[in-house]
Amino acid sequence: KQEVTQIPAALSVPEGENLVLNCSFTDSAIYNLQWFRQDPGKGLTSLLLIQSSQREQTSGRLNASLDKSSGRSTLYIAASQPGDSATYLCAVPEGGYQKVTFGTGTKLQVIP
Amino acid sequence: GAVVSQHPSWVICKSGTSVKIECRSLDFQATTMFWYRQFPKQSLMLMATSNEGSKATYEQGVEKDKFLINHASLTLSTLTVTSAHPEDSSFYICSAGDSEKLFFGSGTQLSVL
Repeated sequence: KQEVTQIPAALSVPEGENLVLNCSFTDSAIYNLQWFRQDPGKGLTSLLLIQSSQREQTSGRLNASLDKSSGRSTLYIAASQPGDSATYLCAVPEGGYQKVTFGTGTKLQVIP
Repeated sequence: GAVVSQHPSWVICKSGTSVKIECRSLDFQATTMFWYRQFPKQSLMLMATSNEGSKATYEQGVEKDKFLINHASLTLSTLTVTSAHPEDSSFYICSAGDSEKLFFGSGTQLSVL
């Protein structure tokens, strides 16, 4: 059974700092990996989707990398802003691309 | 892009009542939908797989008689929490995928008094 772990569990940084969130998974035979953002009491916002054949994806200040062989992905956030404060989740499919296992999450706080 | 609509966004109910949550795929057909649950300060855990026209598949430890799932059409799945109790208070979210991507509903916060 796939296990997805995120480190750190919580992170507090001053505004403007660059930061890296980590995601590791135990079964490297994944279809893709997706990063989400979740605001308190809200649903999920998809940030980046990396296909298994890709090594990274970029969207604005966000860059996600994928290393299947080592079972790792990172989410890099450049020039962090208070609006980036949220919980970040990575998710990998299990037995097909639609059924996913979520990571444990990283709660990010960007201090103005 | 494809959208999954979930309703209601939040619900407060008395212990012992039943609550129905709807999940709709708005511009694509979904033969399979998924229901997740999130307890406070925990990650999302898959509860069940909803299959159009057939019985849902439940994850280990999820009571199928308590969490009734109906997927009667290609665009609608419902989750009914029967005889809800305070321990059922949680954030419930559904997902569905088109041919390429997976989309999530906005979630339902259930509070059982």
